[in-house]
Amino acid sequence: DQQVKQNSPSLSVQEGRISILNCDYTNSMFDYFLWYKKYPAEGPTFLISISSIKDKNEDGRFTVFLNKSAKHLSLHIVPSQPGDSAVYFCAASVSGGSYIPTFGRGTSLIVHP
Amino acid sequence: DAGVIQSPRHEVTEMGQEVTLRCKPISGHNSLFWYRQTMMRGLELLIYFNNNVPIDDSGMPEDRFSAKMPNASFSTLKIQPSEPRDSAVYFCASSPGRSIQNTEAFFGQGTRLTVV
Repeated sequence: DQQVKQNSPSLSVQEGRISILNCDYTNSMFDYFLWYKKYPAEGPTFLISISSIKDKNEDGRFTVFLNKSAKHLSLHIVPSQPGDSAVYFCAASVSGGSYIPTFGRGTSLIVHP
Repeated sequence: DAGVIQSPRHEVTEMGQEVTLRCKPISGHNSLFWYRQTMMRGLELLIYFNNNVPIDDSGMPEDRFSAKMPNASFSTLKIQPSEPRDSAVYFCASSPGRSIQNTEAFFGQGTRLTVV
């Protein structure tokens, strides 16, 4: 059973607009959340994270929002650029445990020029 | 640092053959992970080592899969005998340690395995 769910396999956005990638989780023990970005033929690279003590974390064009009551997080990219086209993985871990990140299946983002 | 290094990048083998995937983690990292990526399951954890000791191997699909970490700078994932359903991209990742500030895992470029 998937503990981290990314229900949208793909997303298409126009350059300059906002991209919103969503992620849901089922394990209430998760308290640290991460987003990774993956280009073809490369390994995933860390993008941004958020601790459960916060509800928002911003880094340049990337912002992650966390709604603990809904067990939902989202990644906002503003403005979207063609170079953002990649697969985005949501991951979650338990800080008091082994910190092993559990990943979702990923969402493929395509940003059109 | 060169990052996490995996070899080979691509492997094509016949069903029934033994396959060995190799990984060199980032120097100084205490945790090492092996993940498998498939279309159906996404990135699934196979095994996790901490300080060279296997901590969680519950993700290893079956006895055909085995992993070792003889020292802090080297790990192998072996499949014997290999089957077509093992075809996937296998990633090795390492992270600095067991604290909330060091949760980010650094991934290698992966090994694309095709079993025919």
